[in-house]
Amino acid sequence: DAKTTQPPSMDCAEGRAANLPCNHSTISGNEYVYWYRQIHSQGPQYIIHGLKNNETNEMASLIITEDRKSSTLILPHATLRDTAVYYCIAGNSGNTPLVFGKGTRLSVIA
Amino acid sequence: ETGVTQTPRHLVMGMTNKKSLKCEQHLGHNAMYWYKQSAKKPLELMFVYNFKEQTENNSVPSRFSPECPNSSHLFLHLHTLQPEDSALYLCASSQDFGGGSTDTQYFGPGTRLTVL
Repeated sequence: DAKTTQPPSMDCAEGRAANLPCNHSTISGNEYVYWYRQIHSQGPQYIIHGLKNNETNEMASLIITEDRKSSTLILPHATLRDTAVYYCIAGNSGNTPLVFGKGTRLSVIA
Repeated sequence: ETGVTQTPRHLVMGMTNKKSLKCEQHLGHNAMYWYKQSAKKPLELMFVYNFKEQTENNSVPSRFSPECPNSSHLFLHLHTLQPEDSALYLCASSQDFGGGSTDTQYFGPGTRLTVL
């Protein structure tokens, strides 16, 4: 898996968009970008993933730069329940499992 | 029904006990995983099973013994654990383990293990 770099923590005001950056400058052509989040003491929750194109689902949007060296997860209207650790993973090269790093601790503030 | 279930949710055991953690997935997936998450540490991958065959063992001590009788069930047998083994043990599953979008992992709620 390609190494990813994320800020250790971020704050976001409730109701505003939360933009979580991730750097994956060594990503290879067949590696996807995955985002998961983990609310305190629960199992990680899958959010979204993408390869080249921007993606959107009911939870979030994923913006991947054209050179694929970085991406941004966007939570359009953050709520208090979005407070969690967000993990960005760039992976899958055949038979290698995804590797979780330290992630970004997002605190949504009322 | 949620996709991945784990039992028990909480477990307290002594160092001489033998216990087992159970994971079941209802998603029709072929790959299953055990992770360990200690306090304030990233998730550590322990074992991976693909089509019931173990494909990964990340230098896990032998006091942890996995078992995968079929693609839907995964066990982690515990014996003579140490207090430093206290952690959240998470199970996950994915459609496949070999490339592409189907590697997306879905996690269970975890078992909070305390070793006294």
